[in-house]
Amino acid sequence: DIQMTQSPSTLSASVGDRVTIHCRAGRTISNYVNWYQQKPGKSPNLLISAASSLQSGVPSRFSGSGSGADFTLTISSLQPDDFAFYYCQQYYNRPWTFGHGTKVEIK
Amino acid sequence: QVQLQESGPRVVKPSQTLSLTCDVSGDSMSNGGYSWSWIRQPPGKSLEWVGYIFYNGNTEYNPSLKSRVTISLDTPKNSFSLKVTSVTAADTAMYYCVRDPGGLGPIGPWGRGTLVTVSS
Repeated sequence: DIQMTQSPSTLSASVGDRVTIHCRAGRTISNYVNWYQQKPGKSPNLLISAASSLQSGVPSRFSGSGSGADFTLTISSLQPDDFAFYYCQQYYNRPWTFGHGTKVEIK
Repeated sequence: QVQLQESGPRVVKPSQTLSLTCDVSGDSMSNGGYSWSWIRQPPGKSLEWVGYIFYNGNTEYNPSLKSRVTISLDTPKNSFSLKVTSVTAADTAMYYCVRDPGGLGPIGPWGRGTLVTVSS
């Protein structure tokens, strides 16, 4: 299985802050990474696919980068609606695997 | 618009079999091109891919669960099902069904999920 190591596990930030979440794969996986946002009681919502492709309807303050084994999700200016959990996921090889998640909380 | 909806018992006793069904609307599962997966999330934890079924009935399961999992297809009903045998408290989770392009793109859409609790 390809392990996805996500950091930090918790991130405390204020509205307007720039925040960055990292994900490292256990091997090179090209750009086969998705990023999801999940709020309590809801299913995950796809933000970014193929490491950097912003999904339709997702605010442009979200961006993704990386290739190979290191990937980053950036929120350029944190908004109140962005306080949630975030997960990376690889789809290079089955079984698809997810990072352990990052909780973005209000500072 | 493709929609998925999970259904099944919310409480299962230890050692028994967990059974869930996912009804798919807005897309015919027999069209091909997609596999159909189950993903689960224990309370407070991350997500775990359980397995998938392809339109022709081919399946693949997560090795961590392989011996206890069966996914099957009901083409006339446009649905697919999950069975997990010999459940324990560790199988307590939110179970999601999703459409899965098999590495050709991101998985989705997702069902709303159903919480299954293993408890006597």
